[in-house]
Amino acid sequence: AQSVTQLDSQVPVFEEAPVELRCNYSSSVSVYLFWYVQYPNQGLQLLLKYLSGSTLVKGINGFEAEFNKSQTSFHLRKPSVHISDTAEYFCAVNLLTGGGNKLTFGTGTQLKVEL
Amino acid sequence: NAGVTQTPKFRILKIGQSMTLQCTQDMNHNYMYWYRQDPGMGLKLIYYSVGAGITDKGEVPNGYNVSRSTTEDFPLRLELAAPSQTSVYFCASSTSGGMDMTEAFFGQGTRLTVV
Repeated sequence: AQSVTQLDSQVPVFEEAPVELRCNYSSSVSVYLFWYVQYPNQGLQLLLKYLSGSTLVKGINGFEAEFNKSQTSFHLRKPSVHISDTAEYFCAVNLLTGGGNKLTFGTGTQLKVEL
Repeated sequence: NAGVTQTPKFRILKIGQSMTLQCTQDMNHNYMYWYRQDPGMGLKLIYYSVGAGITDKGEVPNGYNVSRSTTEDFPLRLELAAPSQTSVYFCASSTSGGMDMTEAFFGQGTRLTVV
């Protein structure tokens, strides 16, 4: 079975500092990987996705993530965060099988950007 | 575009009452999903559908039912509400699975409290 682990439930960081949100997955087959962001009292919106090709994926709002197959990781990074990046971030994985389109989510990481 | 629309946004139910959470999408997506989000638990898949007339259980289906009579609509039914069903519910849709996989689009959520 596939699973997604986000080890950090909360990450406090000062504005303009870099940040990395960690995501590890377990799967015996190829996967698609996603990062979603959820602002307070809103639904989830896609930040970026890895389907194939280059392992470094760039998304919206200056975020990027790197797919590392050997370490089964898909960590999210931003070189300089802004107050408006305060939100909850979810990593998700989808198996490349014929079993349908089912995203499995991690438990989320709350990013709190402080002045 | 409206995208994925959920109603109601908020609801308080008494134990044993029933209700239907409505979800509609205008993107002609084949796949639709219901998730529940609980603090620190991420999103758990309740039910999903790969097209009109086809539904299947997700990770936490007990206490819920769904139907998919049209491509646009995917209502979630709670028959006998229990306090354990207090949660935020998200509906989502996507185009298809496999190599055509694209991201899931989420509604704004329904915050349900069972007392």
